[in-house]
Amino acid sequence: GIQVEQSPPDLILQEGANSTLRCNFSDSVNNLQWFHQNPWGQLINLFYIPSGTKQNGRLSATTVATERYSLLYISSSQTTDSGVYFCAVAGAGGTSYGKLTFGQGTILTVHP
Amino acid sequence: EPEVTQTPSHQVTQMGQEVILRCVPISNHLYFYWYRQILGQKVEFLVSFYNNEISEKSEIFDDQFSVERPDGSNFTLKIRSTKLEDSAMYFCASRQGGAGGYTFGSGTRLTVV
Repeated sequence: GIQVEQSPPDLILQEGANSTLRCNFSDSVNNLQWFHQNPWGQLINLFYIPSGTKQNGRLSATTVATERYSLLYISSSQTTDSGVYFCAVAGAGGTSYGKLTFGQGTILTVHP
Repeated sequence: EPEVTQTPSHQVTQMGQEVILRCVPISNHLYFYWYRQILGQKVEFLVSFYNNEISEKSEIFDDQFSVERPDGSNFTLKIRSTKLEDSAMYFCASRQGGAGGYTFGSGTRLTVV
């Protein structure tokens, strides 16, 4: 099946700093989503972005499908941004079609 | 914005007991899923359901597990003879189909003691 790798595994920032999280995937995809898992364990959908660029406030994401990676940018980070960020993809065919495969996540800690 | 609703939010059960986790997907969605996340690990696919039948299941989804859509709105995951290692967060998700992302519920945290 499709492989998803996220980097870095851990990231520690001071409030106000910017960061970039990366997601590499091993095959063509027809779905890519970024999630934020909050301290209560809920998965909050940030972006549905199988290709292109989107922005939502301080967050933006870019997926370059032909090169099989996606980036999540967080600007002017706040303590409430802390948590785990997951990239998840659904392959465009074969055994990966339909189901989401998650990466291992990036643990982000923002200090005041 | 439409939501996927999961109940209960927390459940504690004795080892060997059966549990039923409940989900109400978004009403016009056609594809339904269960995922599992053991504490500190990544989210894993369990099963997908479409047109009133299982469309795909993972190696984890063995005879201990079953899913059902008993009416037009609910989607359930039954775990028989629970084991300690079944302790995890269980997420329900749905999607409309075609282009468009998944919507996840808030999860059920299952603790087997």
